[in-house]
Amino acid sequence: NAGVTQTPKFQVLKTGQSMTLQCAQDMNHNSMYWYRQDPGMGLRLIYYSASEGTTDKGEVPNGYNVSRLNKREFSLRLESAAPSQTSVYFCASSENGVGLTGELFFGEGSRLTVL
Amino acid sequence: AQSVTQLDSQVPVFEEAPVELRCNYSSSVSVYLFWYVQYPNQGLQLLLKYLSGSTLVKGINGFEAEFNKSQTSFHLRKPSVHISDTAEYFCAVTRGGSNYKLTFGKGTLLTVNP
Repeated sequence: NAGVTQTPKFQVLKTGQSMTLQCAQDMNHNSMYWYRQDPGMGLRLIYYSASEGTTDKGEVPNGYNVSRLNKREFSLRLESAAPSQTSVYFCASSENGVGLTGELFFGEGSRLTVL
Repeated sequence: AQSVTQLDSQVPVFEEAPVELRCNYSSSVSVYLFWYVQYPNQGLQLLLKYLSGSTLVKGINGFEAEFNKSQTSFHLRKPSVHISDTAEYFCAVTRGGSNYKLTFGKGTLLTVNP
C-alpha cells in the first residue's frame, strides 16, 4: 500500500522559474494538505483541501497555488520561485478533518532548492 | 488560536536511559494532541494521540504521553531508549470538530548515544 506519494523528491530551480509538486493518495481520503518544513520552524500549513473541489489557505499561502485535481490528487504550484521558498514540502492526507479523525498521513517529502 | 511550545530543541541521551520530551499547548477550547516522529529523510508518522478519555496514552515503540489539562502539557516519555529512537519528534494540537488545521511545535531532536 503506497499511501501518500510525492513527486519529485528533489528539485533545483532558479529564481523566477515555476514548477508543480504532485501528490497522490490511495487511501480514499477526503482531505489533503501541503506543509513546508524549515529548520527550527516545525511544519507550517500552506494550503489544504477539505474535500474534492475545495481548497483553502493555511498559515503561509503567499507565493503558492494549489489544485485539487480529483479525490486522489492535490498539486502545489510555485509560479515564480524565490529563494525564501527553499524548503522541504510535505503532502499529507486524512480521512476527514484532523478534528474529526485525528491523524494525518504524510508523504516522504520533496526537497526544493531555489537559487 | 492554538499554539504549541516544545521546550527543548535537542535532547541527547544514552542508550537504555529514560527520556522525557516536553510539550506545552495553549488553546481556548478543548483540544486534540498528537506526537509525530520523523526519522532522517522521511515523512512524519503518528506516534500517539489524545482525543478524549484516559489521560495516559500509549503509542508505538514503547512511547507514552500524559495529558495534563491543568498544566496544559502533553509530555512524551519512554523508560528506556534505543539507538533506533534517534529522530525528530513533533508535538501537535488541533481543536475537535470540523477542523483542518493541525498546529505543530518546532520539534525536538532526540539523539540516542551508545
